Amino acid sequence: DVKVTQSSRYLVKRTGEKVFLECVQDMDHENMFWYRQDPGLGLRLIYFSYDVKMKEKGDIPEGYSVSREKKERFSLILESASTNQTSMYLCASSLPDSDNTEAFFGQGTRLTVV
Amino acid sequence: GESVGLHLPTLSVQEGDNSIINCAYSNSASDYFIWYKQESGKGPQFIIDIRSNMDKRQGQRVTVLLNKTVKHLSLQIAATQPGDSAVYFCAETNQAGTALIFGKGTTLSVSS
Repeated sequence: DVKVTQSSRYLVKRTGEKVFLECVQDMDHENMFWYRQDPGLGLRLIYFSYDVKMKEKGDIPEGYSVSREKKERFSLILESASTNQTSMYLCASSLPDSDNTEAFFGQGTRLTVV
Repeated sequence: GESVGLHLPTLSVQEGDNSIINCAYSNSASDYFIWYKQESGKGPQFIIDIRSNMDKRQGQRVTVLLNKTVKHLSLQIAATQPGDSAVYFCAETNQAGTALIFGKGTTLSVSS
């Protein structure tokens, strides 16, 4: 059974804090993604990675960075959290785009920045 | 820029009815489309996909239709059940074919 695991379901952080959101997948997938989900806006792509140590900006990378030191782990970093980064964050993984590009999602991390 | 949209943010149906959820996409070069279902408190889950060389694909109680001429995608759910209540997202591959771009979602409510 495929699994994408996000380390926290809920997080509350203060403005200015450095925040790490962790995601691990056990499917040996090359591609990993971070999206944020907001009411009325759907899912928006923040960053993705197609290989270890590789990263690509998505549609809304400002205020975020990522780290992919191991194939199974993809971290999203908020260098200095702000209230407009309060959101649901979703991690996903998939095989390379030459194969089936269905993405498998984690449960999500609801981050509140106060 | 690329965008994937849905015609209606909400859809309410009676149990047993057929549901149709629509989606318009903008990237005419997209060759892969997916429908996801997201239940409350969960991440999106794959329902069905279709490639651009097809115009129809059927699954269990679900059918996806693709009209490339007007860049329109739809999800049909037969005999809708209360368990089908969720937010439904369409998604297409981005220009580079490296990531999925999602629409804003349609909330389906099924009443008994």
